[in-house]
Amino acid sequence: AQTVTQSQPEMSVQEAETVTLSCTYDTSESDYYLFWYKQPPSRQMILVIRQEAYKQQNATENRFSVNFQKAAKSFSLKISDSQLGDAAMYFCAYRSGFDFGNEKLTFGTGTRLTIIP
Amino acid sequence: NAGVTQTPKFRILKIGQSMTLQCTQDMNHNYMYWYRQDPGMGLKLIYYSVGAGITDKGEVPNGYNVSRSTTEDFPLRLELAAPSQTSVYFCASSYRGDEQFFGPGTRLTVL
Repeated sequence: AQTVTQSQPEMSVQEAETVTLSCTYDTSESDYYLFWYKQPPSRQMILVIRQEAYKQQNATENRFSVNFQKAAKSFSLKISDSQLGDAAMYFCAYRSGFDFGNEKLTFGTGTRLTIIP
Repeated sequence: NAGVTQTPKFRILKIGQSMTLQCTQDMNHNYMYWYRQDPGMGLKLIYYSVGAGITDKGEVPNGYNVSRSTTEDFPLRLELAAPSQTSVYFCASSYRGDEQFFGPGTRLTVL
């Protein structure tokens, strides 16, 4: 079974600075997908960024980028120019690429990000 | 599009009571999911469905039942509520698993 580990329960960053959230995962599969979800106080889960394991290039979405290290099974999220609206819980999630008809997500325990004005 | 909607937003149940959490999506997604999120934890899959008439168990199915009679609706039934089922419940849908769209959640307390 796959596991996802987020070792930082809480992080804080000064507004406009850069912060990196860590995520490691354990899998024996070669084909899979990784996601970062944001959960603000409203509780709504919002997809931030996704990475396909077969792609070597790191995904980027505006101020959000990932550092995907497949051999090390590491998938960190970098937030540049942090804004107050980035304050939320961030969840790393794994999805098997072979689970046709399932596509279930395995989540980490989350990192609570605080933005300091 | 309303996306994924869930009702109710909040509910308090007494031990042994039953209830149904409603989930509806208007994106014509085949795949639908129910997760629970306990305090300080990530989401865990309860049940999922890959299409109308097809459901299967996830990681934590005990104490729950689901049905999928239409593409749009995926209700979650709690029978004989227990304090261990106090949690926030999320419904999600996806077209093919590329991105799961989540509802706003239902906060359930069992006393």
